[in-house]
Amino acid sequence: DTAVSQTPKYLVTQMGNDKSIKCEQNLGHDTMYWYKQDSKKFLKIMFSYNNKELIINETVPNRFSPKSPDKAHLNLHINSLELGDSAVYFCASSLLLAGGGNEQFFGPGTRLTVL
Amino acid sequence: KQEVTQIPAALSVPEGENLVLNCSFTDSAIYNLQWFRQDPGKGLTSLLLIQSSQREQTSGRLNASLDKSSGRSTLYIAASQPGDSATYLCAVGGISNFGNEKLTFGTGTRLTIIP
Repeated sequence: DTAVSQTPKYLVTQMGNDKSIKCEQNLGHDTMYWYKQDSKKFLKIMFSYNNKELIINETVPNRFSPKSPDKAHLNLHINSLELGDSAVYFCASSLLLAGGGNEQFFGPGTRLTVL
Repeated sequence: KQEVTQIPAALSVPEGENLVLNCSFTDSAIYNLQWFRQDPGKGLTSLLLIQSSQREQTSGRLNASLDKSSGRSTLYIAASQPGDSATYLCAVGGISNFGNEKLTFGTGTRLTIIP
């Protein structure tokens, strides 16, 4: 009965490779997000995606591309991985209700290490 | 630009004591405020969500308050236990420059309860 799940949990890869992280939520939520937690443990939003509308936040390089096959899934594809991409990536989801302020539920995270 | 600060960065207290964690934010135009806990190497667990129209929320031994006008929130933990040891993150819900709803996180308070 996992709410928000991510695979893989750990990902170790070489610089220059392309990799994907998968996220699924079974909460019936409308909106999904990707956050990045850097080495200093600071969490920052990367994307949000709802009703097939993708909103990209300003600090994200275009090597990162989220893909949503349906409302319950939001995958993160990363091209040409760089050392600085090493971080923990968290997926989250929430309902999309009028007025905003909806509680976000987070997945367990994917620890990406680029060598 | 919203900035969220948590003080102290680390806190150690003996088991059984009551304690308060602080969170401050610079922009009072928020939807809500969420408190999370993060255990080492784990994901985020949502503890409490306070909507912008509310003053406080309680769950078991936890009580969170919100003073939107002064840009402050506190998380009160009563009768602390060793299992409360974790990093506590404050996150403010608002709208990004790109129009999507997002959480802006503080840098966290690492709490250690001494048995």
